[in-house]
Amino acid sequence: DIQMTQSPSSLSASIGDRVTIICRSGQNINNYLNWYQQKPGKAPRLLIYIASNLQSGVPSRFSGGGSGTDFTLTIDSLQPDDFATYYCQQTYNGVTFGPGTKVEIK
Amino acid sequence: QVQLVQSGAEVKKPGASVKVSCKASGYTFTDYYIHWVRQAPGQGLEWMGWISANNGGTNYAQKFEAWVTMTRDTSISTAYLELSRLRSDDTAVYYCARSADIFKGLAGDYWGQGTLVTVSS
Repeated sequence: DIQMTQSPSSLSASIGDRVTIICRSGQNINNYLNWYQQKPGKAPRLLIYIASNLQSGVPSRFSGGGSGTDFTLTIDSLQPDDFATYYCQQTYNGVTFGPGTKVEIK
Repeated sequence: QVQLVQSGAEVKKPGASVKVSCKASGYTFTDYYIHWVRQAPGQGLEWMGWISANNGGTNYAQKFEAWVTMTRDTSISTAYLELSRLRSDDTAVYYCARSADIFKGLAGDYWGQGTLVTVSS
């Protein structure tokens, strides 16, 4: 199995801040990296697929980058609706989720 | 609109089996995969496997291969997850999710509402 790590595990930020979450894979995953947002009691929501492609309907303040083993999710100008847990997911070899990053209000 | 509607909550005893359903609507069922993902209380997401709604082919996470079965019934656009020999640590919310193929990253673009399975004696 390809292991995924995320950093930080949690962060506190203010409305309007720029937030970056890092996801690393244990081997090259050829950009088969997706990002999800999950709020308590709700199903995950797809934000970004194949590293940098914005899913339809997702606000443009979300962006994904990176390649190989190192990937980022950036939220420009954090909004109240963005406080949630974010997961990365590799689909290059099997499917594995990262452990998640909780974004909290400062 | 695309919808995945899952069956209701279940309470099972250790050693029992459970079958969760995921009924799809609003799209051509056989054009997509259905993934199953679980989330234990307070924990992260754990991928269990996928089934091709087109040909019924499956790909299970190694951890689940021996005791999970994924099937589908194309006549009613429904996918199923069956878990056998349940243990208390199988208590979790089980989600189904739709994905296109690897050209769209096998990303889950629509999800069911989740089904809570509680395993308790």
